[in-house]
Amino acid sequence: EVHLVESGGGLVKPGGSLRLACAGSGFTFSSYTMNWVRQAPGKGLEWVSSITSSSSDTFYADSVKGRFTISRENAKNSLYLHMNSLRAEDTAVYYCARPVGGYLHIGLDYWGPGTLVTVSS
Amino acid sequence: EVVMTQSPATLSVSPGERATLSCRASQSVSDNLAWYQQKPGQAPRLLIYVASTRATGVPARFSGSGSGTEFTLTISSLQSEDFAVYYCQQYNNWPQTFGGGTKVEIK
Repeated sequence: EVHLVESGGGLVKPGGSLRLACAGSGFTFSSYTMNWVRQAPGKGLEWVSSITSSSSDTFYADSVKGRFTISRENAKNSLYLHMNSLRAEDTAVYYCARPVGGYLHIGLDYWGPGTLVTVSS
Repeated sequence: EVVMTQSPATLSVSPGERATLSCRASQSVSDNLAWYQQKPGQAPRLLIYVASTRATGVPARFSGSGSGTEFTLTISSLQSEDFAVYYCQQYNNWPQTFGGGTKVEIK
């Protein structure tokens, strides 16, 4: 069974940094593009970033470009999101999500339960 | 970026009735569109991708249609577990973008 579990969320001050992690199991992690999607409290979904299976390509939302870095360690079945220069508007539940068949341009069929990041002084 | 507009924002429906949700893209996204269901405190669940393909395990009462800029999610006969928020997402262009959601509530 496919499982994704995020970790690393918490309370951080504006301008601070945080690293989120996502552990995958039950599938061949190294064959799948992976994604981060976030949801601010009471708001809708916002795609944040994607990384291809071999890390050859990465993609970012304009709202996080230059501040966030997506990476992965296939040997550890792990996905990461390094977040710098955090702002109040980055406060959200962050989900990692796997696409159908591992493709880059497709729906996201497995999601973790999410980890909450709160940016506040 | 491609703006996804969902309507209505809230849909009040009685159990057993049909629900029709709309999603409009600001430019063509071909059939590169997905629908998700989200319940409070839960992660989204994929219902439909490639505009009309049901994801694994999704009941047949959920169907998707459309292409280009106009898309529809239809729930043929609402069950109690279907009351939730529904999002559309285009993945044809970067950045991938989601609609603002339609809340389906009990009438």
